[in-house]
Amino acid sequence: QVQLKESGPGLVQPSQTLSLTCTVSGFSLTSNSVHWVRQPPGKGLEWVGAIWSGGSTDYNSALKSRLSISRDTSKSQVFLKMNSLQTEDTAIYFCTSYYYDGSFDYWGQGVMVTVSS
Amino acid sequence: DIQMTQSPASLSASLEEIVTITCQASQDIGNWLSWYQQKPGKSPQLLIYGATSLADGVPSRFSGSRSGTQYSLKISRLQVEDIGIYYCLQAYSAPPTFGGGTKLELK
Repeated sequence: QVQLKESGPGLVQPSQTLSLTCTVSGFSLTSNSVHWVRQPPGKGLEWVGAIWSGGSTDYNSALKSRLSISRDTSKSQVFLKMNSLQTEDTAIYFCTSYYYDGSFDYWGQGVMVTVSS
Repeated sequence: DIQMTQSPASLSASLEEIVTITCQASQDIGNWLSWYQQKPGKSPQLLIYGATSLADGVPSRFSGSRSGTQYSLKISRLQVEDIGIYYCLQAYSAPPTFGGGTKLELK
């Protein structure tokens, strides 16, 4: 059974660094890619970035300078790090698995991140 | 980036009514289009992939279609449990882009 679960701090101060972890089960990170999607309160979905099964990464161009995605395949974990956080980064952050046809077939429950002093 | 223009932004419909939501892609994306349902406080759930294929466990009243660069999601007989926000997603080219969403409410 495929599962993804996000974890991380709920509150981050402005200008600080956000660190999130997505722990997956039911599939291998060397076979499937994992993407991050975020949703500001009351707004729509925004693609953040991805780590592909081969280990390469892609980032939203608007976030690229502040964003890093990595993984530990032995622990089935994907990591998101975003620095210089601003209030506009306040959002629910989801990790999701990517199916070869371009769809996101499984999603985590999401983690709410608030950027505030 | 490919733009996905989703309409309507909101929709009020009656039970058993037919509902149609559309997404217009700014360029050709083939069948790299999927649809998602999001209920309040929940993560999005995959409904349709490959523009027309029904995801596992999704009721058959949901269907997807394509006409050129316009994609549609149809609910044949609206049920209470279908209330929520619907999004389309294109993954033809990076970055993947979502439509703005359609909030579906009961009339």
